[in-house]
Amino acid sequence: DTEVTQTPKHLVMGMTNKKSLKCEQHMGHRAMYWYKQKAKKPPELMFVYSYEKLSINESVPSRFSPECPNSSLLNLHLHALQPEDSALYLCASSPMFSLADSYEQYFGPGTRLTVT
Amino acid sequence: RKEVEQDPGPFNVPEGATVAFNCTYSNSASQSFFWYRQDCRKEPKLLMSVYSSGNEDGRFTAQLNRASQYISLLIRDSKLSDSATYLCVVNRFGGAAGNKLTFGGGTRVLVKP
Repeated sequence: DTEVTQTPKHLVMGMTNKKSLKCEQHMGHRAMYWYKQKAKKPPELMFVYSYEKLSINESVPSRFSPECPNSSLLNLHLHALQPEDSALYLCASSPMFSLADSYEQYFGPGTRLTVT
Repeated sequence: RKEVEQDPGPFNVPEGATVAFNCTYSNSASQSFFWYRQDCRKEPKLLMSVYSSGNEDGRFTAQLNRASQYISLLIRDSKLSDSATYLCVVNRFGGAAGNKLTFGGGTRVLVKP
C-alpha cells in the first residue's frame, strides 16, 4: 500500500480565517513533506519532517505552521493567508533508509486551497 | 541556470509511436533520480526510479548518464492514457534531515489517435 491521504480535498478560506490541512500515511515512512504547487509549475518544497522533527524549512512565511503529531500524521496550520497563497498543497512521505538507495516519495492527492 | 531542466513540450505523439525526452541536472552530488507523471489537477505519481544501469518497466525505459548529467525517458507503443506531464526529479539525500527532491518543470506529452 503506497497511499497517502489528505483532507480536505478543497478548501476556501478568507484572509482572516484559521484552518488546517491534514495528511496521513501508514507505510511506516519516517520522513514527511509539504509542497506547494501553482498551476503549470512543478511542486515546491515547503517543509520536511524526519522522525517527527522539523528538519527543513524552505524559508516559508510564518503564516504556514507545520506540525507532526506522530509518525503517521502531518498537519499544516494556516492563518492570515494571502490570495497569492492559493495553490495545490501536496503532502508526501518517504522512507529514511532504502536498500536500493532510492528514497521514492509518494504523494497524497493534495488540498486545493483558495484564499479569498 | 535551473537545477533540473526539461523541454516543456508539448510532444505531440501519434498513438503507437515511440517518444523520448531528456532532462539535465546541474548538481553532480545528486544521488537518486526519478520520473513522475502528473495528470491535470492531480498529484504527481511515481512512474519509475532511474538506476545507473538503466531500467525498463513495460513500455517505459529510463536511462541515467552521470558523466553528462542527464536522464532520459522513452515510451514505446504510446497509448492515449500516456498523455500527461512527465516530471524529472532529482534527489539529494539529506541524511537525518530527510530527502530533498528538486523537480524539473515537466515535459508535456499529448498522444493523439
